[in-house]
Amino acid sequence: AQSVTQPDIHITVSEGASLELRCNYSYGATPYLFWYVQSPGQGLQLLLKYFSGDTLVQGIKGFEAEFKRSQSSFNLRKPSVHWSDAAEYFCAVVLTRNAGGTSYGKLTFGQGTILTVHP
Amino acid sequence: EAQVTQNPRYLITVTGKKLTVTCSQNMNHEYMSWYRQDPGLGLRQIYYSMNVEVTDKGDVPEGYKVSRKEKRNFPLILESPSPNQTSLYFCASRAVTGASSYNSPLHFGNGTRLTVT
Repeated sequence: AQSVTQPDIHITVSEGASLELRCNYSYGATPYLFWYVQSPGQGLQLLLKYFSGDTLVQGIKGFEAEFKRSQSSFNLRKPSVHWSDAAEYFCAVVLTRNAGGTSYGKLTFGQGTILTVHP
Repeated sequence: EAQVTQNPRYLITVTGKKLTVTCSQNMNHEYMSWYRQDPGLGLRQIYYSMNVEVTDKGDVPEGYKVSRKEKRNFPLILESPSPNQTSLYFCASRAVTGASSYNSPLHFGNGTRLTVT
């Protein structure tokens, strides 16, 4: 079955340090992959997405992610973390579905990774 | 401003007392969906709707109902809430027609925290 796994439930880094959040997927075809961020008390906001082409994608807030087919991974990175990056991060994969005559993508989310930033 | 609006933000109720959580979007999106978020489980889809009068079950539909009588609104109904439905609920929407059917991002509401005692 198609799935998305985020192995790290909670990560703590110091402000200014680099960050890598892991995401692994299980999917038969080339996936559509997303990273969302959820700040406390807020809904989810799209950070970046990958569909095809360059395997290194740039997103908002200085984040980037690299798609590695051989490792079935789509890890999120940031060279220097800011205190405002403290949030929960979700990796998601789009699964193809058909309903009502329309083909669309259904998002399946990973379990989330909580990021704490120490000053 | 483009947005998804959920109400209420917080709700405390008792077992068995019917409740409705409203969701409205102003982006003319065809697709709307409800998720529940629980620690360690991420977001799980409850129900979704492809368009007016078109709804279908997601991954965890038991105990919930939805309706889509208008394009902008997608209320979530709990006919007889139980404590295991205590959770954080999110409504989301996105466009699904044309080339955007796969790559359009979900727009989320700010969530409704429900407690059932």
